[in-house]
Amino acid sequence: DSGVTQTPKHLITATGQRVTLRCSPRSGDLSVYWYQQSLDQGLQFLIQYYNGEERAKGNILERFSAQQFPDLHSELNLSSLELGDSALYFCASSLRDRSYEQYFGPGTRLTVT
Amino acid sequence: GQQLNQSPQSMFIQEGEDVSMNCTSSSIFNTWLWYKQDPGEGPVLLIALYKAGELTSNGRLTAQFGITRKDSFLNISASIPSDVGIYFCAGQLGSGSRLTFGEGTQLTVNP
Repeated sequence: DSGVTQTPKHLITATGQRVTLRCSPRSGDLSVYWYQQSLDQGLQFLIQYYNGEERAKGNILERFSAQQFPDLHSELNLSSLELGDSALYFCASSLRDRSYEQYFGPGTRLTVT
Repeated sequence: GQQLNQSPQSMFIQEGEDVSMNCTSSSIFNTWLWYKQDPGEGPVLLIALYKAGELTSNGRLTAQFGITRKDSFLNISASIPSDVGIYFCAGQLGSGSRLTFGEGTQLTVNP
């Protein structure tokens, strides 16, 4: 158990819909990272927050947005969903800003039908 | 952007065999990392390498940071069934930069 929690574990929704994925970092960690893992793909970095502020942006679509709240939990919002958005979405956390030492949550499996 | 090429894509081995996998990059990295992802779980950090030429072990796992800083290798000795999973390499260009992940090596160990 990495100490990072993600909810929900599974999510099935229809095209065009909007969903919110939630992540709670390890106790004491200030950074949260979001990754997308499609079938047979590696992990694609989406976005990173540190202590409530956006710090780095990767290949995140304009339909996707995220935020980190004062209690340090983070939410990833995916809107106007398309079939190709079906993937595993992982959250990771670290103590320091933009650290390589990241601890991953169990992921949310999103299926868009 | 940086690309990491990880090979092989998949491996099927017998329990007790040694395993080698590698990762190459078109860019120089200052940190190399190896993660393992069990089915239905998130990746777990196995080994971190900070210096060119560095060889680091974690139990039956040994990883090396290539001299050119453009590659890294992971070896698993005397494989066991619980070694099954996907192994990812990742590189960090410099302190504070994002991680770039390879596409993973799927390892299957037959008892």
